[in-house]
Amino acid sequence: KQEVTQIPAALSVPEGENLVLNCSFTDSAIYNLQWFRQDPGKGLTSLLLIQSSQREQTSGRLNASLDKSSGRSTLYIAASQPGDSATYLCAVPSQGGSEKLVFGKGMKLTVNP
Amino acid sequence: DTAVSQTPKYLVTQMGNDKSIKCEQNLGHDTMYWYKQDSKKFLKIMFSYNNKELIINETVPNRFSPKSPDKAHLNLHINSLELGDSAVYFCASSLLTGTGIYEQYFGPGTRLTVT
Repeated sequence: KQEVTQIPAALSVPEGENLVLNCSFTDSAIYNLQWFRQDPGKGLTSLLLIQSSQREQTSGRLNASLDKSSGRSTLYIAASQPGDSATYLCAVPSQGGSEKLVFGKGMKLTVNP
Repeated sequence: DTAVSQTPKYLVTQMGNDKSIKCEQNLGHDTMYWYKQDSKKFLKIMFSYNNKELIINETVPNRFSPKSPDKAHLNLHINSLELGDSAVYFCASSLLTGTGIYEQYFGPGTRLTVT
């Protein structure tokens, strides 16, 4: 059974720091991994999707990497800003390329000015 | 705007009532989903439909009945609401890409409060 873990559950940092958010999953036979952002009272915004054939994906100040063999992904946020404050969730298919996504519990990030 | 939309955004109702949440996507996607996010913010899939056909039905009480009139709409009807049904319900949609991947896009959520 696929399980996704995100540690720590919360992180508070001063503005400008480079951050690494971690995600681990138990079943590595996946086709992809998706990182989302959730703002308070809002829906989920897809940040990055990494296919299993890729090792990383970049979008602006965000860079996500995927190491299937170790069951890990990291989301790197460069030069963090107060506007980055949100909850970040990672999700993987329950198996293979299944449309059934299994989510981590998320990491609440607070970037202080 | 191309998006996944849900109505209503907030829903407050009493125990025992029946309510519906509507979802529409104009992204041209084939698959739609309902997720539940509980008070601990844990997000879990409830149902998925592909071209109006039920694909995923997790262990959800049969008081919850999804209905898909067409592939752009997926509604959720809940009978005999209970206190434990209070949560945020998210609709999502996805398209199966040529590489066999479903990239999911989420609606803004419906916060259901049962009193």
